Amino acid sequence: NAGVMQNPRHLVRRRGQEARLRCSPMKGHSHVYWYRQLPEEGLKFMVYLQKENIIDESGMPKERFSAEFPKEGPSILRIQQVVRGDSAAYFCASSPLPSGGAADTQYFGPGTRLTVL
Amino acid sequence: SQELEQSPQSLIVQEGKNLTINCTSSKTLYGLYWYKQKYGEGLIFLMMLQKGGEEKSHEKITAKLDEKKQQSSLHITASQPSHAGIYLCGAEGSGGSNYKLTFGKGTLLTVNP
Repeated sequence: NAGVMQNPRHLVRRRGQEARLRCSPMKGHSHVYWYRQLPEEGLKFMVYLQKENIIDESGMPKERFSAEFPKEGPSILRIQQVVRGDSAAYFCASSPLPSGGAADTQYFGPGTRLTVL
Repeated sequence: SQELEQSPQSLIVQEGKNLTINCTSSKTLYGLYWYKQKYGEGLIFLMMLQKGGEEKSHEKITAKLDEKKQQSSLHITASQPSHAGIYLCGAEGSGGSNYKLTFGKGTLLTVNP
């Protein structure tokens, strides 16, 4: 049973370009969570999505960042006009049910390491 | 907002030694997760604790949540090089946002053979 998959694993962008990060949840999981890990900091929640719906985007910057989880295909985290401060590891997690409680553990992917030059 | 403090920040032990990592919360913990992270890899789920006084074990790793539900510890017995990595504690959010995990900064464990 494949785990959470993310690609690309490493992404280099120049300032002003767009970054698209993809996340394929585990089979049977319809809840996806994105987290960002800045250097020397803990993981921070960004957004929670179900299929075709954004449930909570309270941790996502209001500008330049967007996320989607279409009916078909992976979840996408999109960062427009990247700046150096966007350099970080972006992790996606998935759960079969809304996470909260022992039965709904979030399982994490390997992350995408974004470097903005 | 909830904050999690982990101690120590880093730890170097000799293979075969026991060790303990602590995670202290500024607020009551409703659900506490322990993950292990290796560089370049994702987080591997270890254990989840919910009840005050709860203790869980998996192989040589034991996690405990104190009665007051504000502190958790992770204990590794007879450490091995395979235990090396970054250990992260994560807390569920409250008020209907329990999916929103808050993480500590991690404890870097090195096990010397």
